[in-house]
Amino acid sequence: QQQVKQSPQSLIVQKGGISIINCAYENTAFDYFPWYQQFPGKGPALLIAIRPDVSEKKEGRFTISFNKSAKQFSLHIMDSQPGDSATYFCAASRWADYKLSFGAGTTVTVRA
Amino acid sequence: ETGVTQSPTHLIKTRGQQVTLRCSSQSGHNTVSWYQQALGQGPQFIFQYYREEENGRGNFPPRFSGLQFPNYSSELNVNALELDDSALYLCASSLGTGSSGSSGYTFGSGTRLTVV
Repeated sequence: QQQVKQSPQSLIVQKGGISIINCAYENTAFDYFPWYQQFPGKGPALLIAIRPDVSEKKEGRFTISFNKSAKQFSLHIMDSQPGDSATYFCAASRWADYKLSFGAGTTVTVRA
Repeated sequence: ETGVTQSPTHLIKTRGQQVTLRCSSQSGHNTVSWYQQALGQGPQFIFQYYREEENGRGNFPPRFSGLQFPNYSSELNVNALELDDSALYLCASSLGTGSSGSSGYTFGSGTRLTVV
């Protein structure tokens, strides 16, 4: 069964706009929530991650918002650039667990 | 520092055949995890190898098996291939068995397997 649900499946945003991707999880034991970025022909690369002791984490133009009571977290890409065009995956696990549970992915297209 | 390398990059097999995929871990990493990524889906955990032994396994049948070698490289073997095995197979190496944080996974670019 899919433990992490991700939406939307795809989105198109204009250069300089904001991209928002949402994820929801079921397992309350999860306490590590990373986001991965994948370009065509490449493997996923860790972009940013959050743990439930904070509600928001920002790294450059990328921000994770976390709502523990709702079991939801989201990725915001500010000032979206054409180079941000990629597929983004949310994931979840217990800290230091050996496996990650991934969402189905969101393909982001940034129009110049 | 070299990254994770996987071979081959693409291959086509016939249903019922067997296939072996290879992965060289990133320098300094001692653990390899394998994931299956079907088209349009997120990666699904297959298994992890640490100290040449299987450390954990996802919901995959026994015809999916693996090996880890003393140099930490790894193989994924799939027997009796089925059409649904068509996917991108990703190898991720790490220092230790955890998937989390900066010492977690580094993924390779994958092997695209097509079963016809």
